[in-house]
Amino acid sequence: DIQMTQSPSSLSAFVGDRVTITCQASQDISNYLNWYQQKPGKAPKLLIYDASSVEVGVPIRFRGSGSGTHFTLTISSLQPEDVGTYFCQQYDDLPPFAFGPGTKVDIK
Amino acid sequence: QVQLQESGPGLVKPSQTLSLTCSVSGGSVSSGSYYWSWIRQHPGKGLEWIGSILFSGTTYYNPSLKSRVSISVDSSKNQFSLKVTSVTAADTAFYSCARARGMGLFDSWGQGVLVAVSS
Repeated sequence: DIQMTQSPSSLSAFVGDRVTITCQASQDISNYLNWYQQKPGKAPKLLIYDASSVEVGVPIRFRGSGSGTHFTLTISSLQPEDVGTYFCQQYDDLPPFAFGPGTKVDIK
Repeated sequence: QVQLQESGPGLVKPSQTLSLTCSVSGGSVSSGSYYWSWIRQHPGKGLEWIGSILFSGTTYYNPSLKSRVSISVDSSKNQFSLKVTSVTAADTAFYSCARARGMGLFDSWGQGVLVAVSS
């Protein structure tokens, strides 16, 4: 099975900062990589699919990039409403679909 | 906009069967375009895909749970369901239903329901 890792596990940044989260797959998954945001007490929300495609309605400050085994999620200007946990998820090797352990984002 | 809502007991005794239902509104489980899925999250932990079903009844399960899990769909009620047999404390988790656009692209989620396994 493919394993997913994320770094950092948590981060704290100022409003307006550029934030980058990385996700690594244990083997080549092409661009079959999604990013989700989970706000406290809420269901996860799809942000980015196929590594770099932005889901409809997602603010343009969210950007995904990467292919193969290394991927990044960038928030160009962190906003207070971006507080939450971010998960990556692969869907190249199926089943099972593996999620990363998550990155918790807070505001300083 | 599709909405999903989980329902079922919040407490299950060890060795018994966990049963949850997901009610879908604003969309149809009979749509051939989507996979209807269950995902769980152990408290304070990451997400674990349990399995998915097509309206045709074709199912896909996580191999780690396959021997204990079954997912079914009821198009007449616009619902799909999850059963996990022989539960233990390790099955205590938040269980969410989700719609997948294509096999593994989860674009809509229910709020999730906490199921505790305890005597």
